[in-house]
Amino acid sequence: KQEVTQIPAALSVPEGENLVLNCSFTDSAIYNLQWFRQDPGKGLTSLLLIQSSQREQTSGRLNASLDKSSGRSTLYIAASQPGDSATYLCAIEGGGSNYKLTFGKGTLLTVNP
Amino acid sequence: NAGVMQNPRHLVRRRGQEARLRCSPMKGHSHVYWYRQLPEEGLKFMVYLQKENIIDESGMPKERFSAEFPKEGPSILRIQQVVRGDSAAYFCASSLNRGLNYGYTFGSGTRLTVV
Repeated sequence: KQEVTQIPAALSVPEGENLVLNCSFTDSAIYNLQWFRQDPGKGLTSLLLIQSSQREQTSGRLNASLDKSSGRSTLYIAASQPGDSATYLCAIEGGGSNYKLTFGKGTLLTVNP
Repeated sequence: NAGVMQNPRHLVRRRGQEARLRCSPMKGHSHVYWYRQLPEEGLKFMVYLQKENIIDESGMPKERFSAEFPKEGPSILRIQQVVRGDSAAYFCASSLNRGLNYGYTFGSGTRLTVV
């Protein structure tokens, strides 16, 4: 059974700081890994999708990496802004299913002006 | 494209009542997924449907919960005889084909409160 863990559970940083969010998973037989952003009371916004054959993806100030062998992914946010404040979720598509996502509990990020 | 539409946004039900949650997928999407987010918990998969078919309901509680995705109209998640433990945010997602590679998009959720 796939288990996804995200650390830290919460992170508070000053504006402008670079930061790293961590995601670990127990079963390396994955199809894809997706990072989402969730704002309070809102739905999930897709950030970066990494396919199992890929090592990283980049979009603007965001960079996500994937190391299947160690069961780890990181989300790097450069030059953080107050608007980046949200909960960041890591989700794994795998375990014999190419549609069912297993989520971590998320990292609550607060960027202080 | 209006995205995945869920309604209502907030729903309050008394214990023992029925809750009906609706999800209209993105235009052209025929695959629908429901997830539940309990307080302080991660999102958990409930059910995967295609038009008129339940493909995987392995995450659905065995009793009181049902889901459908008819040929016409939105997907419906129905919870009968609600209890306080059903209070949660229920999210729907849709995709063009099966899986994350096909535009898997989430709605804003329905927040169910059972009093």
